[in-house]
Amino acid sequence: AQSVAQPEDQVNVAEGNPLTVKCTYSVSGNPYLFWYVQYPNRGLQFLLKYITGDNLVKGSYGFEAEFNKSQTSFHLKKPSALVSDSALYFCAVRDEEYGNKLVFGAGTILRVKS
Amino acid sequence: KAGVTQTPRYLIKTRGQQVTLSCSPISGHRSVSWYQQTPGQGLQFLFEYFSETQRNKGNFPGRFSGRQFSNSRSEMNVSTLELGDSALYLCASRAGEEGYTFGSGTRLTVV
Repeated sequence: AQSVAQPEDQVNVAEGNPLTVKCTYSVSGNPYLFWYVQYPNRGLQFLLKYITGDNLVKGSYGFEAEFNKSQTSFHLKKPSALVSDSALYFCAVRDEEYGNKLVFGAGTILRVKS
Repeated sequence: KAGVTQTPRYLIKTRGQQVTLSCSPISGHRSVSWYQQTPGQGLQFLFEYFSETQRNKGNFPGRFSGRQFSNSRSEMNVSTLELGDSALYLCASRAGEEGYTFGSGTRLTVV
């Protein structure tokens, strides 16, 4: 069965510092991996995806993520955090053996302090 | 182009009633999926429709149903509402291998 783990409920970082939000996954087939961000009372906003190709994926708003097959990880990173990055972040996986269903992690709250 | 549109944004219903939520996908997107988001269970897959056919269904009771119309618009219905059905219901549309685009959701409160 497919699953996603986001081991940190909350990540705190100072503005201007690099940030990392962790994600590990488990699938039986080839993984399709996604990161989404959610602001209060809003839907999910797509940040980036990994399907195949380069292990370093660049996405919206300066975010990037590194796919590591041996560690089954897909950590979200940004070189310099902004206060406006404060939000709830979700990692998701789609296992091609299970159709188009996305399985989400529990989410990580990112707080960027000025 | 217009994003995924979900209506209504907010809804308050009484236990035992039924509710219908609507989702209009991005133009040209034929795949529509529904998710339930609650503080306790997080984001859970409800079902996916493609070209008016349900292709996949999550682990929800039969009270949860959906359909898709020929113009790709989708509705989901919840009958005999329970307090635990209170949630944010999110719709997502997709075309090919693009990322899933989500709507702003419908906040359902059951009292």
